[in-house]
Amino acid sequence: ETGVTQTPRHLVMGMTNKKSLKCEQHLGHNAMYWYKQSAKKPLELMFVYSLEERVENNSVPSRFSPECPNSSHLFLHLHTLQPEDSALYLCASSQGSGWGQFFGPGTRLTVL
Amino acid sequence: RKEVEQDPGPFNVPEGATVAFNCTYSNSASQSFFWYRQDCRKEPKLLMSVYSSGNEDGRFTAQLNRASQYISLLIRDSKLSDSATYLCVFLASGGSYIPTFGRGTSLIVHP
Repeated sequence: ETGVTQTPRHLVMGMTNKKSLKCEQHLGHNAMYWYKQSAKKPLELMFVYSLEERVENNSVPSRFSPECPNSSHLFLHLHTLQPEDSALYLCASSQGSGWGQFFGPGTRLTVL
Repeated sequence: RKEVEQDPGPFNVPEGATVAFNCTYSNSASQSFFWYRQDCRKEPKLLMSVYSSGNEDGRFTAQLNRASQYISLLIRDSKLSDSATYLCVFLASGGSYIPTFGRGTSLIVHP
């Protein structure tokens, strides 16, 4: 399934590195989301964009910086992360508010 | 009361069994309801929306009980491939983009 793609699939980075996660949706959806999923925890919503405008920033530390250049692409820029930021980062898209979301395969991030 | 409550399980059932999960929600303004399944180390996948009148998709039936504020998922004739974690999700009314995810119910179907 290639509705929502994410790159890279795996990422190992040091605490001083800067990296970016990329998400692309091919479904013609208007909303895109970033989630964090840590082991044995529920999904945590980080950011929501609707038509390229941020509609939600769920108290996420500033070391995570989202960017949505258009309705098909979403980035998550990472800098000076902490080991506790190691998790699966999932991107999702939906047709709009009130609709179900379609998830990408995720980026499994390890911060050393 | 937690926003969303799901029995984490695991529900351990033999192939061919019928199994049902419930998920309760506290926000009475919730208007959109969904079930997702998530396989180990994979992304959640939308299984089905839950409508007021209930809906069925093959072996899967989802129902909504607004009075008691819960949704349910019934799986008939369980297959080994149904083994996964099932997540319930709610969206409030008013054009909300913010979903509330349950922690998931683990289902293990054994031969």
